[in-house]
Formats: sequence, C-alpha cells, structure tokens
Amino acid sequence: EVQLVESGGGLVQPGGSLRLSCAASGFTFSNYWMSWVRQAPGKGLEWVANIKQDGSEKYYVDSVEGRFTISRDNAKNSLHLQMNSLRAEDTAVYYCARESGSYDYWGQGTLVTVSS
Amino acid sequence: EIVMTQSPATLSVSPGERATLSCRANQSVSSKLAWYQQKPGQAPRLLIFGASTRASGIPARFSGSGSGTEFTLTIGSLQSEDFAVYYCQQYNNWPPRALTFGGGTKVEIK
Repeated sequence: EVQLVESGGGLVQPGGSLRLSCAASGFTFSNYWMSWVRQAPGKGLEWVANIKQDGSEKYYVDSVEGRFTISRDNAKNSLHLQMNSLRAEDTAVYYCARESGSYDYWGQGTLVTVSS
Repeated sequence: EIVMTQSPATLSVSPGERATLSCRANQSVSSKLAWYQQKPGQAPRLLIFGASTRASGIPARFSGSGSGTEFTLTIGSLQSEDFAVYYCQQYNNWPPRALTFGGGTKVEIK
C-alpha cells in the first residue's frame, strides 16, 4: 500500500525557518518525481515545488523561489522541504504527492502557520 | 503560464441528480488533465487522469471528457459521499513543472 506521511509542520514567526519531511513507503520511491503542494486556509491547491527521481532537477513556484529548497533521500525514501524566510502568506497545509503527471497519491498534510 | 478556470464556483444538486462541472484552460493542454475530489479535512483524491480515465477504485458514475481547452467532469447520480470540492489540474508541460490547478467547484446539497 502506498503511503506518504508528512511531518515537521508547526507555528513559526515571520522570517523563521521550518523543515518539512515526507516518509514514503509501498512503492519504489526513486522511480518517481515528487511534489509539495500547499493549500492556504479556505483556499485552493497550489503546487509549490517538485524534484526529479534522482534529485538532479528541482522546480519552484515563483513565490517561494530562493526561500524554499526541495530535496530527497532515495536511500531513506524521504522527501524534504526546507522553508526559510517564511511569510504570513506561506501559512497552509503542505502535502507531499507522488507525480505521474497527475498526483496519484497524497499524504495527509502538515499544517504550517506563520504568525507572530 | 497556463491558467485553469473552473465553473461554477458552487453547484447545488439534489442527491440522485446529475452534476456537470466545467474546467477551461487558456491554452491547449491536449488531454493532460486530471480531476480531484477533496472533502473537508482530507487530502485530495485523484478521480480522473488523461481527461477521461478513471483512477483505480473510482466509481463509474464519475466520468471525464474533453480535450484541448474545454473539459467536463460528470457525476452521474450524486451520492451523499460525493458532496465535496472538485479541482481540475493540467500537466501538459510536465515534466518538469507547470502543474496548475483550477480554483475548484464546490458541490453542495440542494
């Protein structure tokens, strides 16, 4: 059974940092592109970043470029999102998702709240 | 940038009735379109990919159609568990990026 389990969310002050993790199981992690997708409270879905199978390509939405870094550890079947210089508008539930063009599996999400 | 527009924003439907949701792209995405269902407090669930292929375990009452810039999700006979928010998403330029979502359609009980 495919499982994606996020962790690392919480309350952080503006300008602070947070590192999200996603533990993957039930599939060959190294065979898939992976994404982070977020959802602000009461809002729609927004793709944040994705990473190629071997980590050699990484892409970001413009609003997080230079502040967020996506990475993966294929030996540990894990995906990460390092978030720096956080802003109030980064407040959202962050999901990790497996990409097959569409997102066929999602984690349950982890809430990031940026507030003083 | 490919922009996805969903309509209507809210659809009020009685149980047992058919629901038709629309999604429009500002440029062609071929058949690289997916639909998701999201219930409150839950992650989205993939319903349809490739514009018309149901994902594993999705009931036959869900069907997708369209290509290019106009797409439709039809729910044949609404069940109580179908009241949710539905999102379309294009992946025409994937990989590597540009995976954009529509704003969503909320299907509520009439």
